[in-house]
Amino acid sequence: KQEVTQIPAALSVPEGENLVLNCSFTDSAIYNLQWFRQDPGKGLTSLLLIQSSQREQTSGRLNASLDKSSGRSTLYIAASQPGDSATYLCAVRLGGGGGADGLTFGKGTHLIIQP
Amino acid sequence: GAGVSQSPSNKVTEKGKDVELRCDPISGHTALYWYRQSLGQGLEFLIYFQGNSAPDKSGLPSDRFSAERTGGSVSTLTIQRTQQEDSAVYLCASNRGTGELFFGEGSRLTVL
Repeated sequence: KQEVTQIPAALSVPEGENLVLNCSFTDSAIYNLQWFRQDPGKGLTSLLLIQSSQREQTSGRLNASLDKSSGRSTLYIAASQPGDSATYLCAVRLGGGGGADGLTFGKGTHLIIQP
Repeated sequence: GAGVSQSPSNKVTEKGKDVELRCDPISGHTALYWYRQSLGQGLEFLIYFQGNSAPDKSGLPSDRFSAERTGGSVSTLTIQRTQQEDSAVYLCASNRGTGELFFGEGSRLTVL
């Protein structure tokens, strides 16, 4: 059974710092991995989707990397801003589907950017 | 529509009443998912629809929960005889098969 772990569970940093959020998974036979952000009381907003054949994806100040063999993905946020404060979740999709269509979510990292 | 639409956004009900939550996925998306998120917790998978295939109901917590998807588009999640532990945010998501997943804003259910 796929297990997805996000470390740290919570992180607080001053504005302007670069930071890295981690996502690890136990089954490397993945199809893709997706990063989301969730603001309080809201749904999940898609940030980046990385296919299993890709090493990284970039969108603005965000860069997500994927190392399938080691079961890890990182989300790099450059020049953090207070508006980046949110909970960040990763979701891993296994190749071949399965229960829940092969999707497993991490519990998220709660990020606070101090002004 | 432009995004996944869920209604109602908030629902307060009395214990024992039935509730219906609606999800309108992005046009053309064949896959639709329901998740539940309790306060401060992660996402709990409930049910998954893919095209005309039989739904994956493996996450439904009890037989009080059911869902249908009519015409391969709109889905309704029904909770019968609601209990206080059913209080949570119910999230719907859709995608084209195995592509990028898009979520709605959720329906917050409070059972008194």
